[in-house]
Amino acid sequence: DVKVTQSSRYLVKRTGEKVFLECVQDMDHENMFWYRQDPGLGLRLIYFSYDVKMKEKGDIPEGYSVSREKKERFSLILESASTNQTSMYLCASSISSTSRTQYFGPGTRLLVL
Amino acid sequence: DQQVKQNSPSLSVQEGRISILNCDYTNSMFDYFLWYKKYPAEGPTFLISISSIKDKNEDGRFTVFLNKSAKHLSLHIVPSQPGDSAVYFCAAKANQAGTALIFGKGTTLSVSS
Repeated sequence: DVKVTQSSRYLVKRTGEKVFLECVQDMDHENMFWYRQDPGLGLRLIYFSYDVKMKEKGDIPEGYSVSREKKERFSLILESASTNQTSMYLCASSISSTSRTQYFGPGTRLLVL
Repeated sequence: DQQVKQNSPSLSVQEGRISILNCDYTNSMFDYFLWYKKYPAEGPTFLISISSIKDKNEDGRFTVFLNKSAKHLSLHIVPSQPGDSAVYFCAAKANQAGTALIFGKGTTLSVSS
């Protein structure tokens, strides 16, 4: 059974703080993804990674960076949090670049004050 | 420009009746389509998928139909149950390594008893 875990379910941060969201998958998946979900906007891809130390920008990378030092871990970094980054953040993984099915973590609801 | 569109933000159905959720796409390179279901405060879970070489895929109460010429797919749930109440996301993938799923904005299904 695939398991994708996210370090926090809820986070409250202040504007300007540096925020780290961690995601770990235990199935040796090559690909990992970060999305944010906002009402009426669906799931929007921020960044994804198809290998260790590799990253690709998604649709909305501005204000975010990522780190993938180990295969099982993919971190999303908000360098200087802003109120418009208040959102639900979802991490996902898939077996390989040709795999179609993604498995999602439970999400982190981030509130930036 | 949205490549995957779910034009109905919400749908209300009575228990026992059929639910039909629709999805349109614009990119002819998409060759695989998925439906995800999401409950509040949880990550999306994979529901059913279809390859572009098929026009129908069935799994229990869930059937996905694909009309390639119209670039349209639909998810049928029969019979609908109150536990089906959730947000449903349509997603599509092109047959290219290193590409991510493209999600629609989602349709909120409410099934009343």
